[in-house]
Amino acid sequence: ETGVTQTPRHLVMGMTNKKSLKCEQHLGHNAMYWYKQSAKKPLELMFVYNFKEQTENNSVPSRFSPECPNSSHLFLHLHTLQPEDSALYLCASSQDFGARGGNTIYFGEGSWLTVV
Amino acid sequence: SQQGEEDPQALSIQEGENATMNCSYKTSINNLQWYRQNSGRGLVHLILIRSNEREKHSGRLRVTLDTSKKSSSLLITASRAADTASYFCATAADSNYQLIWGAGTKLIIKP
Repeated sequence: ETGVTQTPRHLVMGMTNKKSLKCEQHLGHNAMYWYKQSAKKPLELMFVYNFKEQTENNSVPSRFSPECPNSSHLFLHLHTLQPEDSALYLCASSQDFGARGGNTIYFGEGSWLTVV
Repeated sequence: SQQGEEDPQALSIQEGENATMNCSYKTSINNLQWYRQNSGRGLVHLILIRSNEREKHSGRLRVTLDTSKKSSSLLITASRAADTASYFCATAADSNYQLIWGAGTKLIIKP
């Protein structure tokens, strides 16, 4: 139990579906992240929220839409995805934003997404 | 762009042996972190080493950092079956807030 909870753990969706991934952290952290992990590739940072404000959007296609209603919750809304979007999506949090300060990242267990 | 690159990509050893994984990076860093990921699970932070440190220990883990060679190594002593996982290094550059991740080393401990 890392203090970061993701649901659902597994999701299969068609290319025309709309679904959402949910993340909740119980650590009192100020920064939250969405990462994408594909086989044999480095982790890809998708979005960063710091104090509920989006600070990073690493050229992510608009078919991925994040939402951060408060510092504890983070959503990733998915629509009209492509098969190549199939991956493990990891939510994470850290006390503050900024790796230079030595912040360590706490990850959820991930949501396995399969687009058919 | 990819900063940390782990070597080897995969490592298989007998239980009880020591496992060494390496990470190389390209730009100057503020700190370097190692994480472990069990199959299909999230990543777990293991250890952080700052650019002004050369070595850190945590239980059976020993991390070294050589900033002149832009490399780090993670040593797991007296390996156990439960150490089977993928290990990732991540670097924090002085010029960037983000952690940059490598593709990981897959470690298999044979009983």
